[in-house]
Amino acid sequence: QQKVQQSPESLSVPEGGMASLNCTSSDRNFQYFWWYRQHSGEGPKALMSIFSDGDKKEGRFTAHLNKASLHVSLHIRDSQPSDSALYFCAASDPRNYNQGKLIFGQGTKLSIKP
Amino acid sequence: DMKVTQMPRYLIKRMGENVLLECGQDMSHETMYWYRQDPGLGLQLIYISYDVDSNSEGDIPKGYRVSRKKREHFSLILDSAKTNQTSVYFCASSLGRGREQYFGPGTRLTVL
Repeated sequence: QQKVQQSPESLSVPEGGMASLNCTSSDRNFQYFWWYRQHSGEGPKALMSIFSDGDKKEGRFTAHLNKASLHVSLHIRDSQPSDSALYFCAASDPRNYNQGKLIFGQGTKLSIKP
Repeated sequence: DMKVTQMPRYLIKRMGENVLLECGQDMSHETMYWYRQDPGLGLQLIYISYDVDSNSEGDIPKGYRVSRKKREHFSLILDSAKTNQTSVYFCASSLGRGREQYFGPGTRLTVL
């Protein structure tokens, strides 16, 4: 079983709508989380990190972390066709953080319909 | 312009052949990584390098080895490739451990 599980596997959202992606960890040691985005044919690119409970907002993107429930989410408001991509959640525990190791989820494929 | 490059972009090899995947970065990043990406599995860490000749196994190192003789260059070697090593391989670099990782465009390897 993967230690970082993402849901849903795929998601279709109309242009201008809100996209919500979820990530749950099965390892309580995971404390640090990243969201990466991968467009087709390219390598992943970091969107944002979140290390503390609560919300973190960067432009149209808001991440929410609840360490007690081992849950992190990513919300994209005013979705654009260019947001269509594969989104990865990645986690690290403090012991591995200093080693630079991340555990990636299996990804959520987001499609924005014009 | 911060960039991670990978060569080749596409490679077809026969089972038992040796494979060399190369990665370069122009950001003087200390830490470099090799991942493989398979559908439904996300990205899996093969090796991590903290600097020249300072390499550490990731989660799936079996069947792979790495070489880092210059800070800007990190190679992944498959000795006697196997069909289950067919995958897309990504190289990444970061300024330090735990920092944002910058990924290359990937190498699609097919082992027949």
